[in-house]
Amino acid sequence: KNQVEQSPQSLIILEGKNCTLQCNYTVSPFSNLRWYKQDTGRGPVSLTIMTFSENTKSNGRYTATLDADTKQSSLHITASQLSDSASYICVVSDRGSTLGRLYFGRGTQLTVWP
Amino acid sequence: EADIYQTPRYLVIGTGKKITLECSQTMGHDKMYWYQQDPGMELHLIHYSYGVNSTEKGDLSSESTVSRIRTEHFPLTLESARPSHTSQYLCASSTRDRDTDTQYFGPGTRLTVL
Repeated sequence: KNQVEQSPQSLIILEGKNCTLQCNYTVSPFSNLRWYKQDTGRGPVSLTIMTFSENTKSNGRYTATLDADTKQSSLHITASQLSDSASYICVVSDRGSTLGRLYFGRGTQLTVWP
Repeated sequence: EADIYQTPRYLVIGTGKKITLECSQTMGHDKMYWYQQDPGMELHLIHYSYGVNSTEKGDLSSESTVSRIRTEHFPLTLESARPSHTSQYLCASSTRDRDTDTQYFGPGTRLTVL
């Protein structure tokens, strides 16, 4: 069973609108949580990373939140642009090994229409 | 943009052929990874390396093999390709910082085995 669940699976919004993507995880012990953006046919690119003590982090129009108690994270996109169309992947790392194993969500496919 | 490169970007081959997917990074990262990703699904780790002459199998069973003779180079080889190997293969690298270890991904190789 995937330990990182993302919702919605897909989302269509109009250019200029805001949206929020959700990530729930069961990974334990928790090390950090990352949001990646993956354009079609490309590799994922890191947007934000948050450790246990951080509950919000921004990167331009992207703002991620983390509630380590409820094991939930969200990614809020403000004033969406056509270039925001991509898959957004939530990735959680544990502290269970030297490698810091990564658990990947299946992503939310965001489409921004003009 | 990350300095990690993959070739070829697209490959269509017949069953039974031997193929090597190339991955190179110029960031001096010790850790390198190979992931397999099917459409709409999460990334699955198939191989990783901590450094030169170090390779390990990942979570997903794979018939591929890897080598790490140089820090910057991490090729993946399939001795006899089959249609079940059709997928997107993503290479990534990261530094040794365990707590904030961000992986930088290459653009991927989309493999189709007929």
